[in-house]
Amino acid sequence: DQQVKQNSPSLSVQEGRISILNCDYTNSMFDYFLWYKKYPAEGPTFLISISSIKDKNEDGRFTVFLNKSAKHLSLHIVPSQPGDSAVYFCAASAAGNNRKLIWGLGTSLAVNP
Amino acid sequence: KAGVTQTPRYLIKTRGQQVTLSCSPISGHRSVSWYQQTPGQGLQFLFEYFSETQRNKGNFPGRFSGRQFSNSRSEMNVSTLELGDSALYLCASSPGGRGGGEQFFGPGTRLTVL
Repeated sequence: DQQVKQNSPSLSVQEGRISILNCDYTNSMFDYFLWYKKYPAEGPTFLISISSIKDKNEDGRFTVFLNKSAKHLSLHIVPSQPGDSAVYFCAASAAGNNRKLIWGLGTSLAVNP
Repeated sequence: KAGVTQTPRYLIKTRGQQVTLSCSPISGHRSVSWYQQTPGQGLQFLFEYFSETQRNKGNFPGRFSGRQFSNSRSEMNVSTLELGDSALYLCASSPGGRGGGEQFFGPGTRLTVL
């Protein structure tokens, strides 16, 4: 039972355009969400997070939007750069269950020059 | 500050053997989590240790075990290796008090079981 779903295994975008990565969740108790980026042969690195009390969080070229009623969040990268090519993971946690992070399967983003 | 380190980086074992992987968290971090990553399966949570106690556990068989030492370093052990245990094993540390927040990952140990 996948509580955090990233339905697009891959995404291809032109350099300079917007990349939108989507994530859906099923557990309404999730109240904290994170995005990680992973390059091959490296561990994931934290990108940006959002608490359920917000609907938007921005950090430079990266913005995360949270739609609690739809149980959906998205990561926007503007403008996309070739160095953004990586696998992006969405993760969520809830106050109960000792805040164990639940991960999506990832979306592989390719930004083409 | 030094990042999370994992040793060894690569390991080749045969079925039936056992293996121990090591993780040194960022200085001051008290929580260490372990994950298994296989192609198409994302990050599968193994367990989390906080102050030498297992705080969270994933859905892996008892062949997978771990421990944490008083200096927060952690080890993960897999006994009676199976071919399906071939994966990238990632360790992540965090300050840990609350859990579920930002985690800092090491580069992983690539385990191949022949």
